[in-house]
Amino acid sequence: SAVISQKPSRDICQRGTSLTIQCQVDSQVTMMFWYRQQPGQSLTLIATANQGSEATYESGFVIDKFPISRPNLTFSTLTVSNMSPEDSSIYLCSVRTGLNTGELFFGEGSRLTVL
Amino acid sequence: RKEVEQDPGPFNVPEGATVAFNCTYSNSASQSFFWYRQDCRKEPKLLMSVYSSGNEDGRFTAQLNRASQYISLLIRDSKLSDSATYLCVVSSRMDSSYKLIFGSGTRLLVRP
Repeated sequence: SAVISQKPSRDICQRGTSLTIQCQVDSQVTMMFWYRQQPGQSLTLIATANQGSEATYESGFVIDKFPISRPNLTFSTLTVSNMSPEDSSIYLCSVRTGLNTGELFFGEGSRLTVL
Repeated sequence: RKEVEQDPGPFNVPEGATVAFNCTYSNSASQSFFWYRQDCRKEPKLLMSVYSSGNEDGRFTAQLNRASQYISLLIRDSKLSDSATYLCVVSSRMDSSYKLIFGSGTRLLVRP
């Protein structure tokens, strides 16, 4: 298993500003992911955070809007840039450990409200 | 069409009831299947994997029908603590890694 700490746990931001979310894992992991969960919706994968290289973004998500850093195997950040109310969502960091390809461990999420 | 579809519910059942959730997926090449549980304002957590032969874990039984691209979760003797959203998750191999696709979830409310 893995213990994941995310911060901030919640924030209220003004339109046009940017917010960086941090994700710290208690062990070294190869695969780290960033998901978004909009109100009443399920999880949508934003990108895979690759250590030592650029993140791999899913369709509909771009680096300019969601820059990601992964400086080492235990830490990653996601920035939500130039925010609009449509960015209001829960952002979740997750990791995969071991050989079970279906088991993801999630942080508690960062609840973002953009006014 | 969504890649993973679930009935959103809510399913409102009394304690002790048996309830079943269904899920369909569109990618016939999907390889692995899972049920996650998400409590209100909490992160999702793996409930159980779904195996081709079907599998049981206590009061929970999962079934897979590859021909119909259909997954189910049966909960027997429902407890108040079972109230949560149940997410159907499908894993497909993409290049050299696996990608998990989450359904939108089925909400269960168990009443006293």
